[in-house]
Amino acid sequence: QVQLQESGPGLVKPSGTLSLTCAVSGGSISSSNWWSWVRQPPGKGLEWIGEIYHSGSTNYNPSLKSRVTISVDKSKNQFSLKLSSVTAADTAVYYCARIVVSYDAFDIWGQGTMVTVSS
Amino acid sequence: QSALTQPPSVSGSPGQSVTISCTGTSSDVGSYNRVSWYQQPPGTAPKLMIYEVSNRPSGVPDRFSGSKSGNTASLTISGLQAEDEADYYCSSYTSSSTYVFGGGTKLTVL
Repeated sequence: QVQLQESGPGLVKPSGTLSLTCAVSGGSISSSNWWSWVRQPPGKGLEWIGEIYHSGSTNYNPSLKSRVTISVDKSKNQFSLKLSSVTAADTAVYYCARIVVSYDAFDIWGQGTMVTVSS
Repeated sequence: QSALTQPPSVSGSPGQSVTISCTGTSSDVGSYNRVSWYQQPPGTAPKLMIYEVSNRPSGVPDRFSGSKSGNTASLTISGLQAEDEADYYCSSYTSSSTYVFGGGTKLTVL
């Protein structure tokens, strides 16, 4: 059974870069699925950040595209998120999730990790 | 891309049915049957409840059903139970090869 686990700093300074990793266990990141990041500011709704395929192909939310980089490390069976020039508005719970290609839905989610942007 | 439009809240008594709407555009909900619904109890990660408009993953009770007409998708929960109280989000694939979520609906079981 595939499981996802996010990790990374819980506190990032304004104008800095947020970096998170999602470890995939119980399955291969090279399977026919896309791997995604979704965030949720406190008390607010879900926002799709972007996705990556094991080949390295990516798609990003247009509103975040200039600041986001998602990468994959097949040797470690994990993928990562970098978000640059962060502000308080980027404070959120960040989730990694698997997208099933055949029906474009997020079927497996990590538990989420809270990232606060503050000096 | 703009978020899909959902009512902020809905409520119902145990045993009743409730429907949550999700309105998009011809660039997302209206063009694709790639609409999914997620349940999120407080403090937990979202859980997939419906995919491809009306399909239920294994383990999701058949009290949950989905449909779509034009640019609006709907989630119906029949035979409401206390455990159904949660936030619900819709999502759609878009013509830009991206995904968009709804703003979320808080379901209260009275």
